[in-house]
Amino acid sequence: NAGVTQTPKFQVLKTGQSMTLQCAQDMNHNSMYWYRQDPGMGLRLIYYSASEGTTDKGEVPNGYNVSRLNKREFSLRLESAAPSQTSVYFCASSEYRAYEQYFGPGTRLTVT
Amino acid sequence: ILNVEQSPQSLHVQEGDSTNFTCSFPSSNFYALHWYRWETAKSPEALFVMTLNGDEKKKGRISATLNTKEGYSYLYIKGSQPEDSATYLCASNTNAGKSTFGDGTTLTVKP
Repeated sequence: NAGVTQTPKFQVLKTGQSMTLQCAQDMNHNSMYWYRQDPGMGLRLIYYSASEGTTDKGEVPNGYNVSRLNKREFSLRLESAAPSQTSVYFCASSEYRAYEQYFGPGTRLTVT
Repeated sequence: ILNVEQSPQSLHVQEGDSTNFTCSFPSSNFYALHWYRWETAKSPEALFVMTLNGDEKKKGRISATLNTKEGYSYLYIKGSQPEDSATYLCASNTNAGKSTFGDGTTLTVKP
């Protein structure tokens, strides 16, 4: 079991570029989440998908879009990257909503 | 309380000391309270999930309690060891699955 995997591990973008962060889980979990983590702060929820076919906004959704491609995969898209989106992005999954979450290794994104 | 708040922000203790942290959360729409342990250069790992008022959970030297009426949870570490050094996060979850994390308490245990 690989658990939760994220690609890429690192990425540098120029302002205005777009990119998609990929996340996949092999635990047959129903719920998936995207967080960002900034220095000195905890994890802030960007979007979540309580079950396949549904997505909802979290605390900081502006500038992001998500797709729950199937039960395994949940992608995060930055349409026009801004320096304020420089952060570490974590994907997580849980068996059901509000159950304990399992986290991926993170993607470190820098926008210049 | 509107957000999830954790205190203290950081804590330095000697090996063998016992310690505790606090997590305060909004009582409205509450469904579950999670505690996670986050070591440097790793990903957060779940410690406990609690849902009912009065819940108590224990794993080795670490235990947690939950008071949903007043909106707080305590995490206790008995006899701290250097390997307990980490950031401890709490998260409040609604029934819809939305989770809100606190900023964490960073524990450093000196040998």
